[in-house]
Amino acid sequence: GIQVEQSPPDLILQEGANSTLRCNFSDSVNNLQWFHQNPWGQLINLFYIPSGTKQNGRLSATTVATERYSLLYISSSQTTDSGVYFCATDKETSGSRLTFGEGTQLTVNP
Amino acid sequence: NAGVTQTPKFQVLKTGQSMTLQCAQDMNHEYMSWYRQDPGMGLRLIHYSVGAGITDQGEVPNGYNVSRSTTEDFPLRLLSAAPSQTSVYFCASSYSDGFYEQYFGPGTRLTVT
Repeated sequence: GIQVEQSPPDLILQEGANSTLRCNFSDSVNNLQWFHQNPWGQLINLFYIPSGTKQNGRLSATTVATERYSLLYISSSQTTDSGVYFCATDKETSGSRLTFGEGTQLTVNP
Repeated sequence: NAGVTQTPKFQVLKTGQSMTLQCAQDMNHEYMSWYRQDPGMGLRLIHYSVGAGITDQGEVPNGYNVSRSTTEDFPLRLLSAAPSQTSVYFCASSYSDGFYEQYFGPGTRLTVT
């Protein structure tokens, strides 16, 4: 199956700093999603981005499918951005069989 | 819309007991999946369904059964609980009208003693 590697595993920032999270995957994919798991355990879908670039407020994501990686950018970080960020992929467009990376634990200090 | 709902939120079982984790969605999604999350790890797929009456195995299916008799519901059954099944279980759903984003329920924290 697809291997998904995320880096860095841990990241500590001061409020207001910017950061880039990376997701590498081992095979071509037709579905790639980024999720945020908040400190209470809830998983929130941030982006569906099998290719190209998307932006949503302070967050943006870019997937370069031909080079098998995706990047999640967080600008002007806030303490509420803390949590674990997961990248997940599927060879099928449907995304019914997502393979998850192990996540990046982000801590934003005030 | 309530989105994806899961019950119970917490459960403690003794080894060998059986139980069913409930999952329901009201978004008319065709696809539903069950994942487990162990400490410090990402999620692993247990079983999934691409429509009512259709289910298939994921990465870690042993010890679990599923069925999908309706579009809305996708229960997960633990046949004979083992301590290795202590985990947080998430149900997810996706796909309608060309949108493939996956939405997760709040999770069920299961402890097997």
